[in-house]
Amino acid sequence: QPELTQSPSASASLGASVRLTCTLAPGFSSYAIAWHQQRPDKGPRFLMKLNSDGSHNRGDGVPDRFSGSSSGADRYLTISSLQSDDEADYYCQTWGTGIHSLFGGGTRLTVL
Amino acid sequence: QVQLVQSGAEVKNLGASVRVSCKASGYMFTKYGISWVRRAPGQGLEWLGWISIYNGNIKYARKFQGRVTLTTDTSTSTAYMELRSLGSDDTAVYYCARDQGAYSFNEFDFWGQGTLVTVTS
Repeated sequence: QPELTQSPSASASLGASVRLTCTLAPGFSSYAIAWHQQRPDKGPRFLMKLNSDGSHNRGDGVPDRFSGSSSGADRYLTISSLQSDDEADYYCQTWGTGIHSLFGGGTRLTVL
Repeated sequence: QVQLVQSGAEVKNLGASVRVSCKASGYMFTKYGISWVRRAPGQGLEWLGWISIYNGNIKYARKFQGRVTLTTDTSTSTAYMELRSLGSDDTAVYYCARDQGAYSFNEFDFWGQGTLVTVTS
């Protein structure tokens, strides 16, 4: 059973908002995660660390259009005022003793 | 500013080994870890292993245990990843990432630009 589950795809219109979800497996619901963005043919970029209480710390230069929140085992990434270059793959990552470090399967976001 | 600069693309034959370097700058190398991640064509991100620059602790993903070796050279702030017995499914872009964990795993907050490794027959 994967420890992190993400929907394979999502889409939203230019200028709108979208919320992506990363679900932790049972037993891992207290874990923090990180969100990473990978644009086509680019390396990944750290967006934020998101704690179980919803507090989050954005990476260097990440605009506040990117925000995080948590509810139980779910970790959310909300992107507001969508821009064309938000079109990318988004990955959640978690870590810990025993699980080491691992990624969710990623969500491909299409901006319409 | 924090930078991780990786070595250039590699083309290797089946069964060969590859060594990728990752030179860090803009921060105190010994205060963080380095993790290695890859992305194969059509696949997602996959973690290979982590090394603590501080105390030399190393952890490998079970899938790569025995086939991957992580090392560092603190005199040049460079981390290395060697992968042996290459198969066609090792064709991927390999990334190093600064791991916030000096003592254990944590989030990756900076990434290298990636190194394409192509395995051919």
